Amino acid sequence: AQSVTQLGSHVSVSEGALVLLRCNYSSSVPPYLFWYVQYPNQGLQLLLKYTTGATLVKGINGFEAEFKKSETSFHLTKPSAHMSDAAEYFCAVSEERGFQKLVFGTGTRLLVSP
Amino acid sequence: SAVISQKPSRDICQRGTSLTIQCQVDSQVTMMFWYRQQPGQSLTLIATANQGSEATYESGFVIDKFPISRPNLTFSTLTVSNMSPEDSSIYLCSVLPITEAFFGQGTRLTVV
Repeated sequence: AQSVTQLGSHVSVSEGALVLLRCNYSSSVPPYLFWYVQYPNQGLQLLLKYTTGATLVKGINGFEAEFKKSETSFHLTKPSAHMSDAAEYFCAVSEERGFQKLVFGTGTRLLVSP
Repeated sequence: SAVISQKPSRDICQRGTSLTIQCQVDSQVTMMFWYRQQPGQSLTLIATANQGSEATYESGFVIDKFPISRPNLTFSTLTVSNMSPEDSSIYLCSVLPITEAFFGQGTRLTVV
């Protein structure tokens, strides 16, 4: 079975600082990988996804992630944090080819201080 | 894209009662997914609902506790039966029309 590990339940950064949220996965087949963001009292919104092709994927709000097969990682980054980035971030992997059900990591809460 | 409407957005229920959550999608989709997000936890898949067939439940979830209906390609319901405080969670509906999963806003359930 596939699984996702997100290191750090909470990450704190200052406004303008680099954001790095870590995600490692395990999969017996090439994975499809996703990052979702959840703002307080809201549903999940897709930030970005990796399916095939270019390993560096760009998403919304200035976020990007790089698929590194050798490291089984899909870390999320943003060069400069903004106060509005404060939210819960979930990494997910599709359990089967063809975009079936998703397996989520435990989430990382990003805190941004002025 | 897909727009998902979930109702109710939140509810407070007495233990032992049942609550039915509705999920309406603005386009036809083959599969709909129901997730649970317990307080401070990640999302866990409850079941996958296909139109015209019984839902497929994940380990740890049973039909008697979480009956699901899928009468057509745009609508599904999840019922949380005989509720206990441990059922207090956010329940989310999700669809995968092509290559991206879309989620409803969720139903925040508190059982007292």
